[in-house]
Amino acid sequence: EVQLLESGGDLVKPGGSLRLSCAASGFTFSNYAMSWVRQAPGKGLEWVSFISGSGGTTYYADSVKGRFTISRDNSKNTLSLQMNSLRAEDTAVYYCAKLMKKDFWYGYNYFESWGQGALVTVSS
Amino acid sequence: EIVLTQSPGTLSLSPGERATLSCRASQSFSTSQLAWYQQKPGQAPRLLIYGASSRATGIPDRFSGSGSGTDFTLTISRLEPEDSAVYYCQQYGTSPPTWTFGQGTKVEIK
Repeated sequence: EVQLLESGGDLVKPGGSLRLSCAASGFTFSNYAMSWVRQAPGKGLEWVSFISGSGGTTYYADSVKGRFTISRDNSKNTLSLQMNSLRAEDTAVYYCAKLMKKDFWYGYNYFESWGQGALVTVSS
Repeated sequence: EIVLTQSPGTLSLSPGERATLSCRASQSFSTSQLAWYQQKPGQAPRLLIYGASSRATGIPDRFSGSGSGTDFTLTISRLEPEDSAVYYCQQYGTSPPTWTFGQGTKVEIK
């Protein structure tokens, strides 16, 4: 059974930094691309970032480009999101999600499995 | 960037009724790039339909997807109480790679 467990959510001041982690189990982690998707309180879903199975390809939403960095450690089955220069509008539940294939250009770029989310609150 | 507009905002129906949810795109794209998700309160989203019409693993056959071009539909043929949730459509683009969600349709079971 696929399991994704996020951690690292916290209250942080504007301009601060935070690192989220997602521990994956139940599948061969390196064979699948991963993403972060966020949801502001009471709002809809927003894609944040993508990383290929090898870690060699990354993509970011314009809203976080230059501030957030996605990475993965395939030896530890862990996905990470380093968030810098945080803003109030980054306040959200952050979900890690497993895609269907190893890289974007294989197609089937859907979020097949999701973690339960980590709450990030940016406030002074 | 493609914008997805879902309608109606809220759908209130009785058990056993049929629910029809719409997702309209600002420009045409391939059916292979469209998915639907279900999100219940306090839970993570769950993939229902991908490729516009293929059911994800474990999804009951009362859920079906259709459409093409700019107009896509999620149909729940016989509503059950546990179908109460918010439903999102999602599209991914290729130039550059990005993912976009609709704003959601809330389905309430009377």
